[in-house]
Amino acid sequence: AQSVSQHNHHVILSEAASLELGCNYSYGGTVNLFWYVQYPGQHLQLLLKYFSGDPLVKGIKGFEAEFIKSKFSFNLRKPSVQWSDTAEYFCAVTSSGAAGNKLTFGGGTRVLVKP
Amino acid sequence: AAGVIQSPRHLIKEKRETATLKCYPIPRHDTVYWYQQGPGQDPQFLISFYEKMQSDKGSIPDRFSAQQFSDYHSELNMSSLELGDSALYFCASSVRGAADYEQYFGPGTRLTVT
Repeated sequence: AQSVSQHNHHVILSEAASLELGCNYSYGGTVNLFWYVQYPGQHLQLLLKYFSGDPLVKGIKGFEAEFIKSKFSFNLRKPSVQWSDTAEYFCAVTSSGAAGNKLTFGGGTRVLVKP
Repeated sequence: AAGVIQSPRHLIKEKRETATLKCYPIPRHDTVYWYQQGPGQDPQFLISFYEKMQSDKGSIPDRFSAQQFSDYHSELNMSSLELGDSALYFCASSVRGAADYEQYFGPGTRLTVT
């Protein structure tokens, strides 16, 4: 069974600081990888996704993530955060080649950006 | 662009009551997923449907049932509600066979059981 692990449960940083959130997955086959963001009181929104090709993926709002197959990792980064990036971030995985498969989420990381 | 619609957005029920949550997928999406997100927790997969047939099942209690109708909308029926059922219930939809496998999430239904 696939599983996802996010390294940090809570991150606090100041505006303009750089952000990196760790994500590792466990699955024996090929996977599709996602990062979702959930702003307070809102639903999940897709930040970025990886299926194949260039392992460095760029998403919305200045976020990017790098897929490192050898490390089973898909870390999320943003060079300079804003107060509006305060949210909870979820890494998720589905098994590739099996459309219709469920998403397995990591435990989430709550990010608080101080103005 | 059309998004996933869920109704109601908020629901308050008492213990042992029943609840029905509805999900309307994006037009032409044939697959629907249900997820449950408890307070401070990550979303957990409950069940999914493809072309009106159950395609996968997760940690869905026996008290819950779901189905997908001919117009592709789905309903999650919850009976004998317990306090622990209080959560945000998300529906997502996708197109089976789509190259990106992306699931599009609805705004969720917040269920409070008192």
